[in-house]
Amino acid sequence: AQSVTQPDIHITVSEGASLELRCNYSYGATPYLFWYVQSPGQGLQLLLKYFSGDTLVQGIKGFEAEFKRSQSSFNLRKPSVHWSDAAEYFCAVGEASGTYKYIFGTGTRLKVLA
Amino acid sequence: EAGVAQSPRYKIIEKRQSVAFWCNPISGHATLYWYQQILGQGPKLLIQFQNNGVVDDSQLPKDRFSAERLKGVDSTLKIQPAKLEDSAVYLCASSLDRVSSEFFGPGTRLTVL
Repeated sequence: AQSVTQPDIHITVSEGASLELRCNYSYGATPYLFWYVQSPGQGLQLLLKYFSGDTLVQGIKGFEAEFKRSQSSFNLRKPSVHWSDAAEYFCAVGEASGTYKYIFGTGTRLKVLA
Repeated sequence: EAGVAQSPRYKIIEKRQSVAFWCNPISGHATLYWYQQILGQGPKLLIQFQNNGVVDDSQLPKDRFSAERLKGVDSTLKIQPAKLEDSAVYLCASSLDRVSSEFFGPGTRLTVL
């Protein structure tokens, strides 16, 4: 069965430092992959998505992610973190066979130190 | 463009009571989703509609949960009777079709006492 793993429950970085959030998936075919951000009291906002093509995907707010099929990973990166990036980040995989649905990871909570 | 609207934003009920949530998707979006997000977990899909038909309700506890989307636009999710473990945020999302990105509403936070 398909699944999504986000190994890091919490991550703390200093403002201006680089960031990488890990996401590993288990899926038989080429998945559709997504990263969402959820700020306190807010709904989920799509940061970026990968369907096919270039494996390095650019998203909003300066985020990017790289799809690595050999490692079954879709890690999220940002070269310089801002205090406003503090939030919870969810990786999700879309199942495109039969009924199309999303499976979310358990999330990584990012704390940014001033 | 207006986003996905949900109401109420917060609801507190006692166990065994009933509750209903409402969702108005983005205009023109054919696909509508209801998710349950328990504290500390990622969202879990409860039900997916394509227009007014159910595409997937495999994770919906059908003995107590029901959902409808009668005219293919607005949707309601009902819990009857509620249990303590139903305390969660219920998220509604919509997308143009089954392969497009989802847009999420702000959610309804349910507390069952």
